[in-house]
Amino acid sequence: KNEVEQSPQNLTAQEGEFITINCSYSVGISALHWLQQHPGGGIVSLFMLSSGKKKHGRLIATINIQEKHSSLHITASHPRDSAVYICAVPRGFGNEKLTFGTGTRLTIIP
Amino acid sequence: GAVVSQHPSRVICKSGTSVKIECRSLDFQATTMFWYRQFPKQSLMLMATSNEGSKATYEQGVEKDKFLINHASLTLSTLTVTSAHPEDSSFYICSAPKGGQGYLAHYGYTFGSGTRLTVV
Repeated sequence: KNEVEQSPQNLTAQEGEFITINCSYSVGISALHWLQQHPGGGIVSLFMLSSGKKKHGRLIATINIQEKHSSLHITASHPRDSAVYICAVPRGFGNEKLTFGTGTRLTIIP
Repeated sequence: GAVVSQHPSRVICKSGTSVKIECRSLDFQATTMFWYRQFPKQSLMLMATSNEGSKATYEQGVEKDKFLINHASLTLSTLTVTSAHPEDSSFYICSAPKGGQGYLAHYGYTFGSGTRLTVV
């Protein structure tokens, strides 16, 4: 079973700061997912990546498959970025079921 | 595209009653639906996987007679919490592979908006 560790668990930053959230996993995977959970509970898929880097607006996700590590970066953070960010990986190659990290609760202060 | 609509968003029910939660895929065919439960400040935990036209598979420790899952069509999966008790109070959320079963590596997942169940 894939073990997923996220850090930090909680992060409070001032508006405009550069944010980094880290995720490590234990078993080789085909792709890693970054999710955003809003205060109301809804979940949005931000990225699915299997190598290198992806960028969407102010969000950047990177992954190092060899080191089994991924990072999610937010540039020019804004209060609306306040949410829980969750890293999720398949239980193993070819396994549809995901294992989720405990999430990083991000609060951006105006 | 690939939207899953989940209803209700919130429900309060009395202990001993049953509650049905629906997840509909609006613009794609969801042959597989994953059902998760999330307790406060905890990560999502997979309860069961439903596949259209076949029986759901449940994770270890999840009572299949208590959490009834039906996936009768390619666009609708339901979770019924039977004889609900206060300890069943939780956030329930469904998720489907965007490309249908077997295409996860290419298209990722889409999530419903979740149902907050409170049993009093």
